[in-house]
Amino acid sequence: NAGVTQTPKFQVLKTGQSMTLQCAQDMNHEYMSWYRQDPGMGLRLIHYSVGAGITDQGEVPNGYNVSRSTTEDFPLRLLSAAPSQTSVYFCASSYGGAAEAFFGQGTRLTVV
Amino acid sequence: EDKVVQSPLSLVVHEGDTVTLNCSYEVTNFRSLLWYKQEKKAPTFLFMLTSSGIEKKSGRLSSILDKKELFSILNITATQTGDSAVYLCAVATLDAGNMLTFGGGTRLMVKP
Repeated sequence: NAGVTQTPKFQVLKTGQSMTLQCAQDMNHEYMSWYRQDPGMGLRLIHYSVGAGITDQGEVPNGYNVSRSTTEDFPLRLLSAAPSQTSVYFCASSYGGAAEAFFGQGTRLTVV
Repeated sequence: EDKVVQSPLSLVVHEGDTVTLNCSYEVTNFRSLLWYKQEKKAPTFLFMLTSSGIEKKSGRLSSILDKKELFSILNITATQTGDSAVYLCAVATLDAGNMLTFGGGTRLMVKP
């Protein structure tokens, strides 16, 4: 039972570098989303998707891009990393509607 | 702007104590309220509440929602050291594709 799989688990970037955080789910969920969690804070929504080919912005979208070409995958791209993007990133998926979200194990990103 | 506030921020109790965690919210187009437990990594789902006054129960944990007063409580009876975690409250709305707005969490420490 893989559930929601995120890679990598840890990453260190230099300011200005770009990278893609990967997220895949094998539960055939329509809804997928990316959150970031900063120390002492709850999770904040970055981008989300309600189905393949459909994405939208959440609360803190600046500096990030997403795409959803398949139901299974929802990668998050950092275009030009900044120290303010140092955080733990969680990908989540759900059936949609009134359903609970299942979370990946997180990616700890440090931008120096 | 949707808002979810949890209290207290942190709590230290001894094994066997009963604790009550609070979550209040101000959102438009409320759909459901969810509780998650977060230990070291990904949040894990506890409860989803959609109707007022109906208690959800799982072992020593229970939760109830008051949609008139816009709050929920999570009770843990006979606490154990394994209950030590951050407890997150989140609200799903009909806007934003049913994505979640999280509170800042309550950090619970249970001492032997």
